[in-house]
Amino acid sequence: GAVVSQHPSWVICKSGTSVKIECRSLDFQATTMFWYRQFPKQSLMLMATSNEGSKATYEQGVEKDKFLINHASLTLSTLTVTSAHPEDSSFYICSASDLGGSSYEQYFGPGTRLTVT
Amino acid sequence: DQQVKQNSPSLSVQEGRISILNCDYTNSMFDYFLWYKKYPAEGPTFLISISSIKDKNEDGRFTVFLNKSAKHLSLHIVPSQPGDSAVYFCAASGMNRDDKIIFGKGTRLHILP
Repeated sequence: GAVVSQHPSWVICKSGTSVKIECRSLDFQATTMFWYRQFPKQSLMLMATSNEGSKATYEQGVEKDKFLINHASLTLSTLTVTSAHPEDSSFYICSASDLGGSSYEQYFGPGTRLTVT
Repeated sequence: DQQVKQNSPSLSVQEGRISILNCDYTNSMFDYFLWYKKYPAEGPTFLISISSIKDKNEDGRFTVFLNKSAKHLSLHIVPSQPGDSAVYFCAASGMNRDDKIIFGKGTRLHILP
């Protein structure tokens, strides 16, 4: 089956620094990737939708200058948390669809735990 | 090793009838369960959840049942409507605040007219 990987699986950084998280589709071409933030015991919050070769579409309330998303190829999207603060500590999960997202299938990555000290 | 399993990749149900989507889990430490719904070209959206202290949670046409001894939960949709055609993801989380949500692979529900 289709596999989505994320790297790193966990990261600790100091307040004020930037962190990049990679999301890769390993055996299919992901024309659309989604980035989520997981709130404890809550539902996943969609942060942005990223289409290959174009600018990401951010959900309301998500700062695009703080959460930089790049989807430069059909197998890689990156999320950069800039000037991270402790309140940015969370799980970040990506998912990917092929066929421009018109497919019903969506494959989730394992998530990246970010801790900002 | 899949901790959350949705063994039916797809399901077709007549409009107006009951849709039952099943989910099994292996990790007895899970104590919070969620269902997500996904339309094509959109991200999953939260649908309904249940805590392990309950065995049933109802929200309108959607009811989730939890059988802890069998490590099984199900989502019932009644009556099924055409707009319910989507992929449904089952997910589970542990007791700790920072526990990660583990997703199943999804079941595609097709409501027949």
